[in-house]
Order: sequence, then structure tokens, then C-alpha cells
Amino acid sequence: DQQVKQNSPSLSVQEGRISILNCDYTNSMFDYFLWYKKYPAEGPTFLISISSIKDKNEDGRFTVFLNKSAKHLSLHIVPSQPGDSAVYFCAASDGGKLIFGQGTELSVKP
Amino acid sequence: EAGVAQSPRYKIIEKRQSVAFWCNPISGHATLYWYQQILGQGPKLLIQFQNNGVVDDSQLPKDRFSAERLKGVDSTLKIQPAKLEDSAVYLCASSLDPRTSGRSDTQYFGPGTRLTVL
Repeated sequence: DQQVKQNSPSLSVQEGRISILNCDYTNSMFDYFLWYKKYPAEGPTFLISISSIKDKNEDGRFTVFLNKSAKHLSLHIVPSQPGDSAVYFCAASDGGKLIFGQGTELSVKP
Repeated sequence: EAGVAQSPRYKIIEKRQSVAFWCNPISGHATLYWYQQILGQGPKLLIQFQNNGVVDDSQLPKDRFSAERLKGVDSTLKIQPAKLEDSAVYLCASSLDPRTSGRSDTQYFGPGTRLTVL
């Protein structure tokens, strides 16, 4: 029973365009959501987060949107850069315990 | 500020052998987590410590896995005996105490230990 799902294993985007990564969850008790970025042979790096009381959080080129009624969140990267190429994980917090999705591999082509 | 440190970075063992991983969290972080990440999947929580006490070990295979956090700082995760399906990356993370910070807090990860069981 997967409570957090990233249904797209991979995404390819042209440099300068928008990247949209999606994540769905099933547990309405999740109160905090995070996105992590992972390069090969490194641990996940925190990118951006959003509390369940908000519907949008922005940090530079990165914006996370939360739609609680649809139990859906998305990460927008604008403009995309080749250095953004990595695996992106969404995670949901259940009282501090993080539950991760399977990840989406983003490839940004020059 | 120093990040989460883990060692070793890589380990290859044969099945039925034992192995141990070490983690040093970010200074001042009371909460420490061990995750298992199997190829193609997201990290899965094995055990969570609050200072030197266990908060959640519901997903830890206790017949072969053990973990401790003596003195509430460093932690070790042990597997004995190892099975083929234990091949994975073992990640350590730390955070401030979610209970006292008033909200779920961000976890910061170490580089992980890649374990291969032959």
C-alpha cells in the first residue's frame, strides 16, 4: 500500500522550459510535504517544502503547489537548467515520519 | 555547518556475513533516522531515534537488523546475518525535534552507504 506515489519514473525537458513533477498521496493526515533532489552517489538534498495549511510555496526557480482536495502536489522548476538533472523525490510527513514516493528522474537537455 | 556523516561509503559482503554502518548527525539535531533505499524505490524508514531512545522501529526487521544510538549522538546500524535482498543504500538523516519545534521538520541526509550482498 503505497501512500505516496510519483507515477512518472522519468521526465525530459528542454533547457529554459518549465519542468513539472507530480506527486499523489492517499493519507489526508499528512501535514507537511517536502521535495528532495538526489544526484548519483549522494544522499537526498532538501529542496523545498510546504505545510498543509498553504497551497503554494516559492523559492527562486522552484515552486511547490498543494491541492489538498485532490491529494496532489507538484513541483515547478522555471526555467529548467542542465544542472537540475537529477532524481526528485516527494515526501509526506506523518508526525515527523517521512514517507517517500518512488522518485522521478528529470533530464534537462541543453 | 557540517552535514550528516556516514561511513563506510561502500561495502561488499557475502550472504550470512555481518556488517555495520556508522552515522554522525548534524550537531544539535536530536532526531536521527535510518532509511533503506532499494534501487528504483524511495527511501523507506527503518528506525527513528529521539536522543538515545527509539521512537519508531516498526519497519526494522528485528531478527537480523539492530541499531543503537548511545549517548544520543552517533548511531550504528548492524545487519547480522545479511541476505541478498539487503543490497541497498542505507541512508542516515537527522532533524530538529519535530515535537518541540512545533511542526514536522526537515530531515537532512548523509551520503549513504551502498551495501552489496553477494
